Amino acid sequence: EAGVTQFPSHSVIEKGQTVTLRCDPISGHDNLYWYRRVMGKEIKFLLHFVKESKQDESGMPNNRFLAERTGGTYSTLKVQPAELEDSGVYFCASSDRLAGDYNEQFFGPGTRLTVL
Amino acid sequence: AQTVTQSQPEMSVQEAETVTLSCTYDTSENNYYLFWYKQPPSRQMILVIRQEAYKQQNATENRFSVNFQKAAKSFSLKISDSQLGDTAMYFCAFDGGATNKLIFGTGTLLAVQP
Repeated sequence: EAGVTQFPSHSVIEKGQTVTLRCDPISGHDNLYWYRRVMGKEIKFLLHFVKESKQDESGMPNNRFLAERTGGTYSTLKVQPAELEDSGVYFCASSDRLAGDYNEQFFGPGTRLTVL
Repeated sequence: AQTVTQSQPEMSVQEAETVTLSCTYDTSENNYYLFWYKQPPSRQMILVIRQEAYKQQNATENRFSVNFQKAAKSFSLKISDSQLGDTAMYFCAFDGGATNKLIFGTGTLLAVQP
């Protein structure tokens, strides 16, 4: 069974540019999560999809971030325009269980974003 | 607000020895899950061990075990017989269940020395 994959693995862009990160969850997993780790700090939740619907987007920093999950399969996270403070590692995770039950999230390798 | 604190940014242990990583958390919930995740260098984060708050017995997975103190809100990870492959960043995480989002600590970078 293939794990969670993310593309690209690294991205270096200049301030003001646009970047789109992609996440392919484990096949059949309805739940998809985005997290971000800024250098040296904790991993922070960004948002949670259940299939194609946004269940919780309370962690999204601002309206420069747009997440989509077309057809309930892969997800994209677009940052437009990117700012210096957006630099960090963006993790995607997926799980096949909903609230109220044990929920193991399987993580992708992350995308390291550097904004210059 | 729920928080997770890992007070040890870095730790080092000799191969074959035992090491304990600390984690404390804060929550007003009674039912929740706690996890330790491991991220080896340049590799994906994987689940090491989980603990359900309603279980008094400490979870164990081979060389990995936890010391769960619910009243003290403490959840430490003990690695016995440390191996070179245990070198990784270790994250403690909390799941309150209702929201399903994980709340992480800042991580502890463990280096196992030969």
